Amino acid sequence: AQSVTQLGSHVSVSEGALVLLRCNYSSSVPPYLFWYVQYPNQGLQLLLKYTSAATLVKGINGFEAEFKKSETSFHLTKPSAHMSDAAEYFCAVSILTGGGNKLTFGTGTQLKVEL
Amino acid sequence: DTAVSQTPKYLVTQMGNDKSIKCEQNLGHDTMYWYKQDSKKFLKIMFSYNNKELIINETVPNRFSPKSPDKAHLNLHINSLELGDSAVYFCASSQDLEGKSSDTQYFGPGTRLTVL
Repeated sequence: AQSVTQLGSHVSVSEGALVLLRCNYSSSVPPYLFWYVQYPNQGLQLLLKYTSAATLVKGINGFEAEFKKSETSFHLTKPSAHMSDAAEYFCAVSILTGGGNKLTFGTGTQLKVEL
Repeated sequence: DTAVSQTPKYLVTQMGNDKSIKCEQNLGHDTMYWYKQDSKKFLKIMFSYNNKELIINETVPNRFSPKSPDKAHLNLHINSLELGDSAVYFCASSQDLEGKSSDTQYFGPGTRLTVL
């Protein structure tokens, strides 16, 4: 079965520091991987997705993620954190099942940005 | 111009009641979903409809019944509400061309259900 694991339920960084949120996947077939962000009391917004076109994927708000097959990883990074980046981040894998596809999410990582 | 909308945003009710949550998307998508986010923020799919047809039904109590009157709407009706149903429920939609699992799912703002 396909799944994702997010390491670290809470990550705290200083404003201007590098953001690194970890995601490892398990899949018997080439996966489609997603990063979503959830701001407090809001829905989920797509940051970026990997669809096998390129291993380095750039997303919105300066985020990017690199697909590394050898490490089964899809870590999310941002060179310089901003206070507005404080949110919950979810890694997800898309699974095609009998005509429909469903997202299986990781447990989420809460990012805190401090002055 | 809201892409995926849900009503109500908040729903507080007593155990044993029946309630509905409505979802509408104006993206012209063929597939709609319901997800449940528990108190630990864990998200899990409940149902998926494609062109008004149920295609994914995870292990969800049969007190939960989705209804899709047309492909732009997917409502969730819950009978005999229990304390454990308290959660945030998210509706989502995607284009889902046949055989493509890379399509982005667009989420609504969520409905926070509190069962007392």
